Parts: sequence; structure tokens; C-alpha cells
Amino acid sequence: QPQLQESGPGLVKPSETLSLTCTVSGGSISSSSYWWGWIRQPPGKGLEWIGSIYYSGSTYYTPSLKSRVSISVDTSKKQFSLKLSSVTAADTAVYYCAREDDSSGHPGAIDYWGQGTLVTVSS
Amino acid sequence: QLVLTQSPSASASLGASVKLTCTLSSGHSSYAIAWHQQQPEKGPRYLMKLNSDGSHRKGDGIPDRFSGSSSGAERYLTISSLQSEDEADYYCQTWGTGIEVFGGGTKLTVL
Repeated sequence: QPQLQESGPGLVKPSETLSLTCTVSGGSISSSSYWWGWIRQPPGKGLEWIGSIYYSGSTYYTPSLKSRVSISVDTSKKQFSLKLSSVTAADTAVYYCAREDDSSGHPGAIDYWGQGTLVTVSS
Repeated sequence: QLVLTQSPSASASLGASVKLTCTLSSGHSSYAIAWHQQQPEKGPRYLMKLNSDGSHRKGDGIPDRFSGSSSGAERYLTISSLQSEDEADYYCQTWGTGIEVFGGGTKLTVL
């Protein structure tokens, strides 16, 4: 079964860019059966889908963050990455990476989660 | 608009059963969902994918105490023989054409 591990800075200054990487082990990131996604959870709140990427580079983003988000994939390193620009305190959250099954060419059910990493936006 | 609605809280006694509900928005009653469990101070864990016909596919190691069912736009998660470790937040998730949505979550208290 696959394992996903997030990595990146735990503290980001306001107006800067948040960058995180998810490393996948125990499975292929290049499988046509899966998408790879980012989800976040502000302290004490619910889950919010940020976006997803296919091994080919196709992406989908949630509309509310689309202007600030970029997700990329490096299949040779078995990694995919999140960049969120112009961050504010409202972007403080635990960020999770996840595997999603393919649903007719779109990201579907999440079936594996990373453990999550807390990113705090503060000066 | 694709929306999932969950009751904020539920409670049941140790050893009893509980049925949690996730409701799909109008026009989306045929959609599948996934259930996820988040124990206190932990990350989410996939429980199952639940189709509109009630068929479901559980995640690795999920006990038989967890089951799913469907009726119209409602998707249910039933937990039987409740144990203390079942006290957690439960989220439903669905997806459409290039979008994913989570319900607000139900906090389950085991009395």
C-alpha cells in the first residue's frame, strides 16, 4: 500500500509563497488509475480540497484558490508539489497530500492520506 | 452546486450502533461519496467509497463494524458495536467534473 509524506517549511511570512512537496512510496505515481491531491484543514475547522494533478500534468483547482495555486508533478522523483502564493493568516492550516482514484478522467475518492504538516503564516 | 450536508454532532453509547448521514444537494442524488474518519489529533483515514446503489469498497483494515448504505440523496455510515476509539470526526467527500467537495463533518461522541 502506498505511503505519502509531506515536507516543507512550517512557517511562512505573509505575502510570500507556501511550498510543499509530497513524496510517494510503495506505489507508482505514474499509474493511470490515480490522481494526487492536496487538502487543507485550518485549526479547529473542516477539510478543504485545494486541487489535484494527474501523472501527465493535468490539474484541477478549487475555484476560490485558483488564482494563487499551482500543483506540479515530478514522476522521476515520485513527488508532487503545491505552491500557494500571496499567503495570509487565513492560509494557516494543516496541509495533507492524498491519493485519489480516477473517476472517468477526473479526481475521485481519496483512498490514502499523508500524515499532514502544519503551516503557519506569520511574520 | 455540489454540496454535502452533515449534522455537526452525534452521540451513542459504548457497544451500541450509530448511523451517520451525508446528504447530497439537489440534482446530485446519483453521486458516489467516500467516508473518512479523523480521530483526535490525527490525520484523516479513508473508510469506504459508497455508491448510490449502496455498494461500497472499504479501505485496508477497516473493521466489519463499519458499513455503508444509500437511499436517494442520502448516504449513510453505520458503526456497530461502538468502541471508544470510534469517537472521532467523520467527513464525507464527493467529486464531480474537476471538483471535489467535503461535508462539514460530524463529531461522534461515544458515551
